[in-house]
Amino acid sequence: EIQLVQSGAEVKKPGESLRISCKGSGYSFTTFWIGWVRQMPGKGLEWMGIIFPADSDTRYSPSFQGQVTISADKSISTAYLQWSSLKASDTAMYYCARHVYGTDWGQGTLVTVSS
Amino acid sequence: EIVLTQSPGTLSLSPGERATLSCRASQSVSSRNLAWYQQKPGQAPRLLIYAASSRATGIPDRFSGGGSGTDFTLTISRLEPEDFAVYYCQQYGSSPYTFGQGTKLEIK
Repeated sequence: EIQLVQSGAEVKKPGESLRISCKGSGYSFTTFWIGWVRQMPGKGLEWMGIIFPADSDTRYSPSFQGQVTISADKSISTAYLQWSSLKASDTAMYYCARHVYGTDWGQGTLVTVSS
Repeated sequence: EIVLTQSPGTLSLSPGERATLSCRASQSVSSRNLAWYQQKPGQAPRLLIYAASSRATGIPDRFSGGGSGTDFTLTISRLEPEDFAVYYCQQYGSSPYTFGQGTKLEIK
């Protein structure tokens, strides 16, 4: 069974750093792109970027370029989404998804940024 | 960046009726690289259709996709109670792989 399991909910303060994770199992992790999608409260889906774990080729949406870093560690079949300095506006649910079109999705990680 | 515009914003129908959802792209989507997703409250999105018209694994045949170029549709032939949800289109032909803003399908 293919699974993407994301790390748990986070509560952070503005200015703090954060890395959330997405662990793939049940398939060859290095042969499919992993994307990240943001969903702000009550809003639609926003495509953030995507990484190919075999060679870490990464593409970003211009809206998120420079705001987040996407990475992957193929040795442990895990992709990451990272912030160096969180803002209140980063409060959202974040999903990872397998393939350029999301054949499989993680359960989501809720990130709350509040002072 | 390709902008996807979905219409209508909200669609009110009854179970058993036919639903037609539209997704229009600001420029041609290469190789029909368009997907449709269903999202219910509190759940992750679920892939319904990829390559504009191919049903994902386990998706009932009442769901069908069509279109090419800049105009795409998702059709649900006979609505079941579990089909009332929000639907998104996404193009993956040109990075950034943008989503539409969604269509809410609600019970009339």
